[in-house]
This record gives sequence, structure tokens and C-alpha cells, in this order.
Amino acid sequence: QQPVQSPQAVILREGEDAVINCSSSKALYSVHWYRQKHGEAPVFLMILLKGGEQMRHEKISASFNEKKQQSSLYLTASQLSYSGTYFCGTEGMSGSARQLTFGSGTQLTVLP
Amino acid sequence: SQTIHQWPATLVQPVGSPLSLECTVEGTSNPNLYWYRQAAGRGLQLLFYSVGIGQISSEVPQNLSASRPQDRQFILSSKKLLLSDSGFYLCAWSAGRVTLHFGNGTRLTVT
Repeated sequence: QQPVQSPQAVILREGEDAVINCSSSKALYSVHWYRQKHGEAPVFLMILLKGGEQMRHEKISASFNEKKQQSSLYLTASQLSYSGTYFCGTEGMSGSARQLTFGSGTQLTVLP
Repeated sequence: SQTIHQWPATLVQPVGSPLSLECTVEGTSNPNLYWYRQAAGRGLQLLFYSVGIGQISSEVPQNLSASRPQDRQFILSSKKLLLSDSGFYLCAWSAGRVTLHFGNGTRLTVT
């Protein structure tokens, strides 16, 4: 089942913060975050594993609440380069899954 | 280092024509290979994945097929394209954990 991302879109000014949420109806082993710029392929940002720590990529960090089956992506002091569509991808509890199920994406626009 | 090549970058095909998209990976052995499709402004839909030569799993019934004739080669095909096949097709690979590394994609327009 597809994870649910929120919000669908967010617009903010350079230097502002944003949070993107990803929620699943099933137990998860891992959550992956990707960013896709317009017309380009998605790029891997980070993976959060069950029982693992909060991860960070530059000024972007993420957390994974296993009990709630939720992950959040935190963009701090956003830069123009952060603009794009962010996707979460989830992996089921078996840990042996060969594929991710992606959310519908959150379009982030950072204005000067 | 590992690299993934996908071609062509763009393609315009008439309805009913065949399709062949190719993807190759370099710098790794026995990768898991994937084909995703992304409709305009939409999310990523998994079409096929493969864990080895000749092993293909289909996620969505459709008029598309995939083949893996060599360890690092993945091909997406169709005998007769439909208008609904238009989209951005992405090949990806992973090794061990399921972290995906995407190719640059093929933008297919069926007219």
C-alpha cells in the first residue's frame, strides 16, 4: 500500500524551515527519502532503518517513528537548491523486500 | 564507481508502434534492476523488477514487458503502445539494501 505524504505542496522563502511527513498503514523496516528536480531523475537523500538513528544530509534531517509507522523530513534554513519534489519510499517489515513503495510526493518550492 | 545508462532520453512514438527502452549498469555485479514509470506530476509507479538474469517480477498488469538478457542489462518493451503509456520511464538499480540509484530517464510521448 502506498504511503501517504503531506503536505502535497509547500512554498517557502529562502531560510525558512519545512517539514514533510510520510505515513504508512503497515509496519515498516525502513523509510527512504528521495528528491527529484523538474525533468530529472530522483536522487537518494537518506535511509532510516528500524531501530536506527535520525539521519542527516547537509541541513536536511529525518526521523522514523516505528511505532507510528511515520517518518518526517526536516528542511532547516532552506536554500533555493532544495526546491523539487520529495518522495518517501517504504520497505515492509520483512526486511528482504526488493522494492520500495513510493508516496505521491511533496512539491517544495523555495523562493528568494 | 557504479553508473547507470538509460536511453534514449526522449522518444515520440505513434499509437500501436513497438517500444524498446534499454538500461545498463556498470561497476557492480548481480544488481537488482527496476523499471518505474512516472506520469506527469505524479509519483513513481513500479512496473518491473529483477533479481537476476531471466527473473522478472511484474507489479502492474499492462501491455509492457521486461527482459534481462544479461546480468547488467534491463530492457522494457511493448508490442503496441497505447496513449496511456506516455510518461517518464526510469530505470534503477540497487545492491543489497533496496536503496535505489536511478538513471536519467526516458520521456516517452505516445501520439
